[in-house]
Amino acid sequence: ILNVEQSPQSLHVQEGDSTNFTCSFPSSNFYALHWYRWETAKSPEALFVMTLNGDEKKKGRISATLNTKEGYSYLYIKGSQPEDSATYLCASHTGGFKTIFGAGTRLFVKA
Amino acid sequence: DVKVTQSSRYLVKRTGEKVFLECVQDMDHENMFWYRQDPGLGLRLIYFSYDVKMKEKGDIPEGYSVSREKKERFSLILESASTNQTSMYLCASSPRQVNTEAFFGQGTRLTVV
Repeated sequence: ILNVEQSPQSLHVQEGDSTNFTCSFPSSNFYALHWYRWETAKSPEALFVMTLNGDEKKKGRISATLNTKEGYSYLYIKGSQPEDSATYLCASHTGGFKTIFGAGTRLFVKA
Repeated sequence: DVKVTQSSRYLVKRTGEKVFLECVQDMDHENMFWYRQDPGLGLRLIYFSYDVKMKEKGDIPEGYSVSREKKERFSLILESASTNQTSMYLCASSPRQVNTEAFFGQGTRLTVV
């Protein structure tokens, strides 16, 4: 994989559903994987920075895992709430200043 | 509260105009970046700067230039705006250490007519 790919492109869930989405990235020259949340009319905000294979990070109902050997990361949201509606971006940092962003997963949570 | 501020939220310019997008950060960060975001595509890096008066081309620098005369300010210049430069432009800054998060501005939606 040369690019960072995120799936699905968009996701519609009901309030209370748990959900997850995927970020695939080049596993060679890997340095760090970033997750950002981008709410409409706001700035993207960092959720997690992950560097080690097997890393798991958690912030409230949101958690993420990292597999650097196969080049993927999962983001999980437990018990989705309407305020979780946002675009979730992942970015792969390959050292130096090079960061490659995925196109994002757009999450819609219906009350 | 850390801040990256972009000068305009919305901008409409005519084809051929010279356009300046300004970005200011108050975190004393060394690194600053300009990205554009288009539907279905990730954030694409236009230019970045790792120090005052230093600049490096990103992935899509054609049609753009930048200026960093002061540490806190990074300007993106569209020398002669074209309709294919209609996009959302995001500025970001980060500390010198490579393994740290970036802080983003609120974005400027530029329309070139």
